[in-house]
This record gives sequence, C-alpha cells and structure tokens, in this order.
Amino acid sequence: AQKITQTQPGMFVQEKEAVTLDCTYDTSDPSYGLFWYKQPSSGEMIFLIYQGSYDQQNATEGRYSLNFQKARKSANLVISASQLGDSAMYFCAMREGLWDFGNEKLTFGTGTRLTIIP
Amino acid sequence: GAVVSQHPSRVICKSGTSVKIECRSLDFQATTMFWYRQFPKKSLMLMATSNEGSKATYEQGVEKDKFLINHASLTLSTLTVTSAHPEDSSFYICSARVVAGTDNEQFFGPGTRLTVL
Repeated sequence: AQKITQTQPGMFVQEKEAVTLDCTYDTSDPSYGLFWYKQPSSGEMIFLIYQGSYDQQNATEGRYSLNFQKARKSANLVISASQLGDSAMYFCAMREGLWDFGNEKLTFGTGTRLTIIP
Repeated sequence: GAVVSQHPSRVICKSGTSVKIECRSLDFQATTMFWYRQFPKKSLMLMATSNEGSKATYEQGVEKDKFLINHASLTLSTLTVTSAHPEDSSFYICSARVVAGTDNEQFFGPGTRLTVL
C-alpha cells in the first residue's frame, strides 16, 4: 500500500482563489510527521509546513495551512489567496517514528502540479 | 534558514564514465545527509542515508557499487555514479539534517541534473 497518496496529478486555479491540495497517508506508527514541499521548475525543494502526529492544532505558516484530520489520515494543504508564483509541484511527505530516535527518512507522494491562472 | 548546496547543478557525460556530485551544508554541520533521485514528473525516491564517518545506508533496490556515497566531513557528502549509463540520467537531490536543530525540517539542495549520453 502507498504510504503517501496524492490523488490530484494537476490542478488549475484562478489567481487569488484558495486552493486545497489533497494528501492521505498510511502508517501504523502512532508517532509521525507530515510535511509539504514546493518544487518550482528550478527543481529545488522548498519546505512549506509541518504537522506532528501529536500536534493538537492544525499547522499554519503565512498563506499555508494544513488541514490535519487524524482519524481520516489526511493532511491537506490549503493555500489562501493564491498567487502566480505558487505555480509549482507540491509534494506531501511523511516521516514515521519519533525524530529523536533517528527516524529521519521521508517518504514522498507523487505530487500535484498546481498552475495558477491570471 | 540553513543552506545546502550541490555541485554541479547540471552534468552531461558519456556512457561508461563516472560522475561525482557534491552536497554541502554551508552554514551548519550535518551528521546525516540524504540522497534522493527524481525521475521526470515523478516523486522523490530515497536512495541512501549518508552518515558522517560511517558507511551509507542504502534503500532496497539501490546498487551500492553503482552509487558510491562518501560522507567525509560534517559539511560534505558526495555521490559518485560509477560507470554511468543512460538509464542513470535523472535529477539527484540531497538533503541534510541539522545536528541540533528542530525536529521538523530537512534542508534540501537545489539538485543536480545528470544526463548520460
């Protein structure tokens, strides 16, 4: 079974609208972390936001927020007021286990290509 | 934030030659670095975990003798693609973990695009 599933290969969104990128995950480990990265055409992976499995509140970072629904095992990224510069590939990733114990490996989803339309 | 560099950013080589890619942490020490491979329009796949002063840990299916990893210092890890073939053409990205940093980030390099003719 896929550990990270991103079901939207591509999305087109009008500028200034909000957009939700879907991510579901599969793990039996009670301790895990969920990440979202942005990859522009240059190729660099840019960290956007993080959610720990024990975090009580949904993570927010500026225009980015993570809609964490633990029971449903989903961690959707919400981008508010989209901008042209948001056009990129977006990857959801998971780290299983507690970081303290050297669990640093990330498993990535297949990504969603977001295109913002002027 | 922490900065990770990769060199070269692009390399084109002939089949059969070896190519070395460097990953450096510029403003922090990294005991652990990771090497990923990304095929066109595909996700990142972890190839190996590089530990300073010890042997790398390879993921299942990754040829150790093909992809040599050396983590000689706390700021440098190298990936050498030996006897490269066209199927090795890919985008290789490294990442690094801060030694005493937060628990929620790996810092990624800008990637190296390898084309084997």
